[in-house]
Amino acid sequence: ETGVTQSPTHLIKTRGQQVTLRCSSQSGHNTVSWYQQALGQGPQFIFQYYREEENGRGNFPPRFSGLQFPNYSSELNVNALELDDSALYLCASSFDELNYGYTFGSGTRLTVV
Amino acid sequence: AQSVTQLDSQVPVFEEAPVELRCNYSSSVSVYLFWYVQYPNQGLQLLLKYLSGSTLVESINGFEAEFNKSQTSFHLRKPSVHISDTAEYFCAVSDPRGSTLGRLYFGRGTQLTVWP
Repeated sequence: ETGVTQSPTHLIKTRGQQVTLRCSSQSGHNTVSWYQQALGQGPQFIFQYYREEENGRGNFPPRFSGLQFPNYSSELNVNALELDDSALYLCASSFDELNYGYTFGSGTRLTVV
Repeated sequence: AQSVTQLDSQVPVFEEAPVELRCNYSSSVSVYLFWYVQYPNQGLQLLLKYLSGSTLVESINGFEAEFNKSQTSFHLRKPSVHISDTAEYFCAVSDPRGSTLGRLYFGRGTQLTVWP
């Protein structure tokens, strides 16, 4: 058991729709990061939250947004879905923002048709 | 920004043979280094990490990696592989400074396939 739970595991959406992916981290994990893993690629950093504030963002457009809640859960929202958004989305959490080794969830497989 | 190069996209080996998965990163400044393993339809699991201290780090299942600062490498090795080691392996680097604090930069992965 990883201690990080993501839902749903699989999702199919239509181009132009909006989607919300959820992540539940281990208690005490103040840092949560989201990664996008396209087929055959390594994960790409989307953004990071520390104590409910965004404190780092990768090269993703503003239609990718997030929230972190006091109960160690978080959300990734993607608006105006595009076909290229099809990927495995991974949530990762850590006790602190220095990252001494994230704990990753199993991911949500998003397919945009 | 950091970049990570995994030199082999696929590594096929026979069971009980030794294996080396190669990883090079771009920066010569202090970094944290990681190897993650991903089994089919699963997320990433931390295999081992280098933060500081001894340049040779080991995992509980027989893998080891050596940090080589002069060559900016962090190659993963195992003297004798098992079929259960078949998985995708990702090398990652983190820069523990400034605006990129905590961010992981991943390589494209190496698929290790162990044959009986």
